[in-house]
Amino acid sequence: GAGVSQSPRYKVAKRGQDVALRCDPISGHVSLFWYQQALGQGPEFLTYFQNEAQLDKSGLPSDRFFAERPEGSVSTLKIQRTQQEDSAVYLCASSLTVGGNQPQHFGDGTRLSIL
Amino acid sequence: QQQVKQSPQSLIVQKGGISIINCAYENTAFDYFPWYQQFPGKGPALLIAIRPDVSEKKEGRFTISFNKSAKQFSLHIMDSQPGDSATYFCAASMDSNYQLIWGAGTKLIIKP
Repeated sequence: GAGVSQSPRYKVAKRGQDVALRCDPISGHVSLFWYQQALGQGPEFLTYFQNEAQLDKSGLPSDRFFAERPEGSVSTLKIQRTQQEDSAVYLCASSLTVGGNQPQHFGDGTRLSIL
Repeated sequence: QQQVKQSPQSLIVQKGGISIINCAYENTAFDYFPWYQQFPGKGPALLIAIRPDVSEKKEGRFTISFNKSAKQFSLHIMDSQPGDSATYFCAASMDSNYQLIWGAGTKLIIKP
């Protein structure tokens, strides 16, 4: 399809393991966002890419969280030494251009459960 | 000043009725106000958006009303249907800053 694709849809990991979450944005979209959504809450901003440049990582909760988008398309969010509080749905969104007034198109997220 | 406050937290409406969800903001620099709809297990999907130069925008059964002086905006769903049952989020942003500031969400249930 032509939408934002995220994989895996579900990920269960033991506390202390590293995980990697993948996002395939809509082809040609310049902007890419990662959000964390806790149960019953709105999405919370994690980080923003404009093409391959990570312009804002102010929302990443700790230095265990790392994101990259090396070729300006696919992005990976990596969480090292996972903790139980990392359990959440991780959403990726892309938009065609830059600027806060552009519609953001979301994937269906990766539900991460840390045991 | 960056917050967007959304109410109610949950809402039950009879089929065919009007669903109304309200949001308020503080930052007068916001100039884009989208509403997103989210079904369980899915990502949010853009429903409708408004800019502060208009007071109302209608798309089908969905209408945004915007009150710039009160710094409030609301979503009205006319002739509500069971398929509208979802969580609705308001948000705000400014063109100069890519970050969307989200409300806490409203869980809407339409009773058949």
